Amino acid sequence: NAGVTQTPKFQVLKTGQSMTLQCAQDMNHNSMYWYRQDPGMGLRLIYYSASEGTTDKGEVPNGYNVSRLNKREFSLRLESAAPSQTSVYFCASRQGTAGQPQHFGDGTRLSIL
Amino acid sequence: AQSVTQLGSHVSVSEGALVLLRCNYSSSVPPYLFWYVQYPNQGLQLLLKYTSAATLVKGINGFEAEFKKSETSFHLTKPSAHMSDAAEYFCAVIPSNTGKLIFGQGTTLQVKP
Repeated sequence: NAGVTQTPKFQVLKTGQSMTLQCAQDMNHNSMYWYRQDPGMGLRLIYYSASEGTTDKGEVPNGYNVSRLNKREFSLRLESAAPSQTSVYFCASRQGTAGQPQHFGDGTRLSIL
Repeated sequence: AQSVTQLGSHVSVSEGALVLLRCNYSSSVPPYLFWYVQYPNQGLQLLLKYTSAATLVKGINGFEAEFKKSETSFHLTKPSAHMSDAAEYFCAVIPSNTGKLIFGQGTTLQVKP
């Protein structure tokens, strides 16, 4: 019962370094999402992919890029990390039909010094 | 724009007491509504969902929520709190014409012995 798997679980970066967060799901879901979670702000959508081959910006896309590598995998890249990107990042997937919930990974805790 | 408001960022109850976590949404049409729970250092787990089949929705771990269209509310309740219920709870909505989740800011539930 793997569900949504995120790697790494923890990472510390220096300002200006680059980093790719990996996400894979084994539920054959069409849609995948990246969120960041900050205290008191809930989860905010960074990017999403409604289906393989498509990606769209969410609420807070600046400073990030994504790649939907195939149906299973959706990666998030920080090209030049900034301290403001210190956060917990969650990947989620969803079947795509109306009303279906999103399923979440355990998160990546990223600190940028 | 669609929004979700959770009243009270922190709620404290005694073990065995009623749990009531409040959620209001803004929407001109009934959306899809969800409650998620997040235990420390974990991802989000689905507690329950409303998809218009019934206004009273039962979820896992003894939680339930009632959809009230006239009040645009979807409050989460549990008759008797257990220490293991201590966690952060998120209300979320998918507007009926999109697949994107919009989260409330979260409510941290503390259960006192």
